[in-house]
Amino acid sequence: DVKVTQSSRYLVKRTGEKVFLECVQDMDHENMFWYRQDPGLGLRLIYFSYDVKMKEKGDIPEGYSVSREKKERFSLILESASTNQTSMYLCASSSPTEAFFGQGTRLTVV
Amino acid sequence: DQQVKQNSPSLSVQEGRISILNCDYTNSMFDYFLWYKKYPAEGPTFLISISSIKDKNEDGRFTVFLNKSAKHLSLHIVPSQPGDSAVYFCAAGQNTDKLIFGTGTRLQVFP
Repeated sequence: DVKVTQSSRYLVKRTGEKVFLECVQDMDHENMFWYRQDPGLGLRLIYFSYDVKMKEKGDIPEGYSVSREKKERFSLILESASTNQTSMYLCASSSPTEAFFGQGTRLTVV
Repeated sequence: DQQVKQNSPSLSVQEGRISILNCDYTNSMFDYFLWYKKYPAEGPTFLISISSIKDKNEDGRFTVFLNKSAKHLSLHIVPSQPGDSAVYFCAAGQNTDKLIFGTGTRLQVFP
């Protein structure tokens, strides 16, 4: 009973490449989020979206953009990947009382 | 300025004993709190939640306590099992519109 699906578990990209991370949820949630997890820093919010075509910056939006063309899909875009964007990326969707995460994408930028 | 803090980066507990994970927050407007468990290379999984109108919520071996005056919540796991070894994140928000996470506590349950 998969609820939140991220398109890739592992990715290796070169510095300067444009990277797309895709996330799809099947719960009809309005809210969707992108986080990154780094050792000692916990989960940090990059961007979130309350509705289709809506987006708001989180705590660390620099170097990222997002796209929400359909309710079920929230994409994270690294316009020009850099080595400091090597991280675990987590997508989540939520209702007022619950939130679910995808399995995560481990991105390595070389 | 961390609004949600987990001051203990790690915790070791013997199997069968109680594990207590703590979380402090600064924003009195938070009205919903959640705990997540995360294994390496996997996404966090929801464990238990509590709303600000309650001070305790129990689900099997997991109990969350909320002390609003102290802006403190804790997760109790009893009895602890080796499979509980993971990183635990607390999160706070207003109707989960925007969840703020702590930095996590790594729990190790040893035999």
